[in-house]
Amino acid sequence: KAGVTQTPRYLIKTRGQQVTLSCSPISGHRSVSWYQQTPGQGLQFLFEYFSETQRNKGNFPGRFSGRQFSNSRSEMNVSTLELGDSALYLCASSLDQSTNEKLFFGSGTQLSVL
Amino acid sequence: QQQVKQSPQSLIVQKGGISIINCAYENTAFDYFPWYQQFPGKGPALLIAIRPDVSEKKEGRFTISFNKSAKQFSLHIMDSQPGDSATYFCAASRGDYKLSFGAGTTVTVRA
Repeated sequence: KAGVTQTPRYLIKTRGQQVTLSCSPISGHRSVSWYQQTPGQGLQFLFEYFSETQRNKGNFPGRFSGRQFSNSRSEMNVSTLELGDSALYLCASSLDQSTNEKLFFGSGTQLSVL
Repeated sequence: QQQVKQSPQSLIVQKGGISIINCAYENTAFDYFPWYQQFPGKGPALLIAIRPDVSEKKEGRFTISFNKSAKQFSLHIMDSQPGDSATYFCAASRGDYKLSFGAGTTVTVRA
């Protein structure tokens, strides 16, 4: 069974640009969560989608957005990039998070903002 | 504001020794406490998890001890091996899908 796939693996952008990251969950998994990982702040919850609906959102500015498609694949978008957005962005999938089922993380997209 | 406090930040243990990582939380609504293991270049992987109705859970060489009254939980890695060298994160959630993670502990096992 294939794991969570995130593309691209690495991205380099400049301030002010926007970026879209992609996540393909494990087959059959309907919930997709996004986390930001930085050395200073650790792992922080961005948002979670289930059946194309955002169920919850973390404490990030509106520049961070996401969506989920009918096949459960998800994308997150960051607009007007800032230097502080440099981080590893992790996607995780699960069958249904409502019962705290285990999360399966992808290897992440390493975003560098110059 | 970090909802889960983790210590130590790093530790070094000899092969065959015991690694102990501690976490503390404030939110009594938390009801699920997983531990994740992360290797460089990889995403975190679930290691073991516990709910507050049990005080200890063991899976192989990994044991979680849970103290509900103290709002603390810990991970013990018995007979530590070089392959256990990784960063370990404790986490907590309150019946939803949002995990609050600790800051992480880098474990180095020396052969």
